[in-house]
Amino acid sequence: DAGVTQSPTHLIKTRGQQVTLRCSPKSGHDTVSWYQQALGQGPQFIFQYYEEEERQRGNFPDRFSGHQFPNYSSELNVNALLLGDSALYLCASSFIQGDGDEKLFFGSGTQLSVL
Amino acid sequence: DAKTTQPNSMESNEEEPVHLPCNHSTISGTDYIHWYRQLPSQGPEYVIHGLTSNVNNRMASLAIAEDRKSSTLILHRATLRDAAVYYCILTPLYTGANSKLTFGKGITLSVRP
Repeated sequence: DAGVTQSPTHLIKTRGQQVTLRCSPKSGHDTVSWYQQALGQGPQFIFQYYEEEERQRGNFPDRFSGHQFPNYSSELNVNALLLGDSALYLCASSFIQGDGDEKLFFGSGTQLSVL
Repeated sequence: DAKTTQPNSMESNEEEPVHLPCNHSTISGTDYIHWYRQLPSQGPEYVIHGLTSNVNNRMASLAIAEDRKSSTLILHRATLRDAAVYYCILTPLYTGANSKLTFGKGITLSVRP
């Protein structure tokens, strides 16, 4: 059973460019969340997608957007890249059980470098 | 959201038990206590979670204080593979809340051979 898979693993972009990161959730999971992890810090929640809609959002600007497809896979888009967007981007999936007792399964992340 | 406080780092010897503390004095009655760990060059990994009672699974045990203002993650026999950053996280009890985890800096566990 494949876990959470993310692509690409590494990416180098230039300031002002746009980037798309992709995530396939663990089999049987219906919810995808995205996190940003700067070097030496804990991950920060960007947003959560469930039933193809953004359900919760962290403190990130509108430059960060996402999408969830009918097969539950997801994309994270970042426009007008800034140097400060350089980070490890993590995707996590879970299955909504309705009791708040979900566990998150994380991928290994995409390392984005903005030059 | 209620906050957690953890030491910055701890050291342990291989094959000895490890007790990782977490303080959460402002926890509400419906907050779950979660522990995740992050090994080098990997995404975080779920370890254990609980609400009021102590919990055991194949990876670890979670001891929750009677007043719920602190908890301890117990690794019964540390291995070199347990060297990681361990995060103690509180989540409110509502559907989907556990997708929005608030990570602090965590505690870095080093394991000596």
